[in-house]
Amino acid sequence: GAGVSQTPSNKVTEKGKYVELRCDPISGHTALYWYRQSLGQGPEFLIYFQGTGAADDSGLPNDRFFAVRPEGSVSTLKIQRTERGDSAVYLCASSPWVTDTQYFGPGTRLTVL
Amino acid sequence: GENVEQHPSTLSVQEGDSAVIKCTYSDSASNYFPWYKQELGKRPQLIIDIRSNVGEKKDQRIAVTLNKTAKHFSLHITETQPEDSAVYFCAASFSGGYNKLIFGAGTRLAVHP
Repeated sequence: GAGVSQTPSNKVTEKGKYVELRCDPISGHTALYWYRQSLGQGPEFLIYFQGTGAADDSGLPNDRFFAVRPEGSVSTLKIQRTERGDSAVYLCASSPWVTDTQYFGPGTRLTVL
Repeated sequence: GENVEQHPSTLSVQEGDSAVIKCTYSDSASNYFPWYKQELGKRPQLIIDIRSNVGEKKDQRIAVTLNKTAKHFSLHITETQPEDSAVYFCAASFSGGYNKLIFGAGTRLAVHP
């Protein structure tokens, strides 16, 4: 079946702009995660959804970052007033249930100029 | 705080040799330890995982061992092949009842023909 998909694959924006990154999890997966991966580093946890609710947003760096999952499927990560330090690959993962294997999407490479 | 240390950062082996990557974690409540392989520009892909009630798990040429007392776990790849060349990440889940993964910084494995 189809894996986790993310759009866009690449996003270039200017400092101060607003961006939205989309994640389509594997159908039926209830758990959804967002991670951020900087060059040469491992993925860094941002937020976890169980169904529609954000069960843990402790990894969001500050209040410029926000994520939603209104219908318990697709999720959108929103970044306001982007800064150059936000440049990274944003990865989404989903799992059938919270204790199951996480399957990653291909990521969105965000570049803030 | 939550931390996973991974060593070595780079590893170069000859085809057919074995490769070992080691990780230590800080949270004694961690109960799930996956290993991901990431090729350049691609998504992380799970290669093997282990839960805290098991000391060792093997899948063909790949094995993982877990020492809960010492809080470390290792990946072993035998009979390495050039296609094993990639970056490998270990991760540990942290307490809270869900798989919030904390990743190591990665090991770049190069297998030379």
